Amino acid sequence: EPEVTQTPSHQVTQMGQEVILRCVPISNHLYFYWYRQILGQKVEFLVSFYNNEISEKSEIFDDQFSVERPDGSNFTLKIRSTKLEDSAMYFCASSPRGGAFFGQGTRLTVV
Amino acid sequence: RKEVEQDPGPFNVPEGATVAFNCTYSNSASQSFFWYRQDCRKEPKLLMSVYSSGNEDGRFTAQLNRASQYISLLIRDSKLSDSATYLCVVNKGGSARQLTFGSGTQLTVLP
Repeated sequence: EPEVTQTPSHQVTQMGQEVILRCVPISNHLYFYWYRQILGQKVEFLVSFYNNEISEKSEIFDDQFSVERPDGSNFTLKIRSTKLEDSAMYFCASSPRGGAFFGQGTRLTVV
Repeated sequence: RKEVEQDPGPFNVPEGATVAFNCTYSNSASQSFFWYRQDCRKEPKLLMSVYSSGNEDGRFTAQLNRASQYISLLIRDSKLSDSATYLCVVNKGGSARQLTFGSGTQLTVLP
């Protein structure tokens, strides 16, 4: 069964450093997303991407965040200058239409 | 009013029991509705989409009442493996792809 894959599974970084989280969506899906979940809280939408551009973004997705689809398969989330409050599980997801399928997540810890 | 509201539980039920979860949403423009399950520290997994006509998938039945902005999930003959957090998920509104997650209802099925 095709699945969304994310790397790395865990990333520890120092405050102020840049991080890039990587995702390979399901190949025939057209819509890609990043969500995050702070420990003990609900899943929150960050951004959606369609046809090589951002289609929706939340208030969380400020100038520190960016997304790219550098080639036909990868989808990345970059955080330019990490803050302590960026520590969370980051989920990539993709969908053909309807419900989204999530990757296993990258646990980002900012120290 | 929260965008998506669920009873947090926990629900502790014996194996074989029938359990029902409820959810209300605030945005009357929402068009897409889903139930996801999330195991501890794992990604959300799509359980089923929810349609106005109601839909069933094996032991799981979902209902949507648009007039009351209410969604339900019924699990019959519950199994130990059904233990998880069940997330009510609604799109932001209209054709928006952005999903809004409830905080989840925790279910533990006891032997």
